[in-house]
Amino acid sequence: GESVGLHLPTLSVQEGDNSIINCAYSNSASDYFIWYKQESGKGPQFIIDIRSNMDKRQGQRVTVLLNKTVKHLSLQIAATQPGDSAVYFCAEKMRGNEKLTFGTGTRLTIIP
Amino acid sequence: DAGVTQSPTHLIKTRGQQVTLRCSPKSGHDTVSWYQQALGQGPQFIFQYYEEEERQRGNFPDRFSGHQFPNYSSELNVNALLLGDSALYLCASSFRENYGYTFGSGTRLTVV
Repeated sequence: GESVGLHLPTLSVQEGDNSIINCAYSNSASDYFIWYKQESGKGPQFIIDIRSNMDKRQGQRVTVLLNKTVKHLSLQIAATQPGDSAVYFCAEKMRGNEKLTFGTGTRLTIIP
Repeated sequence: DAGVTQSPTHLIKTRGQQVTLRCSPKSGHDTVSWYQQALGQGPQFIFQYYEEEERQRGNFPDRFSGHQFPNYSSELNVNALLLGDSALYLCASSFRENYGYTFGSGTRLTVV
């Protein structure tokens, strides 16, 4: 069956450093991937997405890399700020399927 | 421009009772999906509504039902509540085949 997993449940990074959050997926039929940020008491907030026909996509301070060979997704956050502290989820969507499948999340803590 | 609005924000119910949660999608969106997020876990897909019909359903029992109104707003109903139904219930809206899902802040349901 499908699954989306994360390598690390927690990650602490010094303010100003770069952070990398990893995610593994198991379903080769997945064609769309999203990273969400969830702060305490709030719903998931869209960060960046990527389709399976791409390897890399950049946004403001964030980059998503997709390695289809090993079914791996990563989120890079540059020059981290205290406001980046949150739980980060990767989610996948399969072709012809309406649902998003989420992983369990990685808690990112930015150390001042 | 209002995002996804959910009500109520918090709710406490007794086992065996029934509950109705409400969602107003983001302006311009016509598709509503519901997710259940247990503490410390990623959201789990319950179902999606489009054109007032349930388009897809996740692995949730029939106690979970929904409705979409002509103005695209939606309700999630849960009957015969169990302690295990305690969770954050999230609504996400999108426009048809557009993959841009926007989440609300959720309703925190506690069953005692």
